[in-house]
Amino acid sequence: ETGVTQTPRHLVMGMTNKKSLKCEQHLGHNAMYWYKQSAKKPLELMFVYSLEERVENNSVPSRFSPECPNSSHLFLHLHTLQPEDSALYLCASSQQGAWTEAFFGQGTRLTVV
Amino acid sequence: AQKITQTQPGMFVQEKEAVTLDCTYDTSDQSYGLFWYKQPSSGEMIFLIYQGSYDEQNATEGRYSLNFQKARKSANLVISASQLGDSAMYFCAMSRDYGGSQGNLIFGKGTKLSVKP
Repeated sequence: ETGVTQTPRHLVMGMTNKKSLKCEQHLGHNAMYWYKQSAKKPLELMFVYSLEERVENNSVPSRFSPECPNSSHLFLHLHTLQPEDSALYLCASSQQGAWTEAFFGQGTRLTVV
Repeated sequence: AQKITQTQPGMFVQEKEAVTLDCTYDTSDQSYGLFWYKQPSSGEMIFLIYQGSYDEQNATEGRYSLNFQKARKSANLVISASQLGDSAMYFCAMSRDYGGSQGNLIFGKGTKLSVKP
């Protein structure tokens, strides 16, 4: 199993749909993150969870709703999205308080139609 | 505010040659970490190398080395003996929560490296 696994890899949804992105890490880490990567823009941090508590929310619209039920799983619930929300959504994990790098998943390519 | 600048949108290198990807940063923190990630067309961000601000020696990982010049606030990535598989986007990043949540990163815009056979 790879360290950080994201499903689905590709998702097409209508603006009225509700869908969820899933991230699972097998590294024993206790911090998880959601990033958005749009074309021609730097990666943007969306949410940070440390020890299963949300510690940062970078002014993300409420149509994105994260959930972290335990230290190994992270979800991003999506509803009433806009076409400009189409992007690659990347999940990452790291060990809180350790001087080590974060590991990323392969991302979910989201298209909103 | 912290900032990462990568001024090279695209670079070409001949296979087996070395290449340097530029990165400059801005921060008022005394303690910080700098990272380089590789992103192939598949989308995954692959960690390459890391340099802490208090590390006196430049970091090295196999064919990757980080040319860290603290006074100039630069952290350039050097790839030696380029391979075709090195063709990808390369991102320089800085941790916003160094020693805490290391995945809380600010990224540059990236450099697209193309290796020619």
